[in-house]
Amino acid sequence: GQNIDQPTEMTATEGAIVQINCTYQTSGFNGLFWYQQHAGEAPTFLSYNVLDGLEEKGRFSSFLSRSKGYSYLLLKELQMKDSASYLCAVMDSNYQLIWGAGTKLIIKP
Amino acid sequence: IAGITQAPTSQILAAGRRMTLRCTQDMRHNAMYWYRQDLGLGLRLIHYSNTAGTTGKGEVPDGYSVSRANTDDFPLTLASAVPSQTSVYFCASSDSAGGAGDEQFFGPGTRLTVL
Repeated sequence: GQNIDQPTEMTATEGAIVQINCTYQTSGFNGLFWYQQHAGEAPTFLSYNVLDGLEEKGRFSSFLSRSKGYSYLLLKELQMKDSASYLCAVMDSNYQLIWGAGTKLIIKP
Repeated sequence: IAGITQAPTSQILAAGRRMTLRCTQDMRHNAMYWYRQDLGLGLRLIHYSNTAGTTGKGEVPDGYSVSRANTDDFPLTLASAVPSQTSVYFCASSDSAGGAGDEQFFGPGTRLTVL
């Protein structure tokens, strides 16, 4: 079956760095997405990786290793507004997104 | 520019009733999707449409139907609601289906409670 695993919850301190991991097993691979979802709101796109390596976008970076079925989202200089759930999703061979359950990130002052 | 709108925002429904959730996008996207989001589970695809006039079944299609008469609208119908359909429903769209890297844009969601 298809499976996306990510931690349920993480806590970090304002100004610090946090890494959210995602491992996946899917039928085919056409890229990996990270989305941010604030409580009670819709998911919004953060990043897309299809090749191995690191993609940097401001305070957020996303890494992919296809051979290991692994990705992480790195958030630097954490701000209180970064408190949200972070969703990992893999596009499978049918170009459908398979979603992880999300990681709830709690930022403490 | 509104992006994607959904209606209603929330609804309490008696079991056995019929309900249509509305979704409209103004981005001229070809592909549209309906997901449900339940606590502790990832978003699960209910139905999708790659282009106007075509629809397909996702992971959890039972009890739901969709239509795509035009590019902008993608309504989701529950023919006879059951309590297990209590969930938050998100409509999404993307420029193309099968376009690797095409991000999906989400509507604000409909919170549905079936009693």
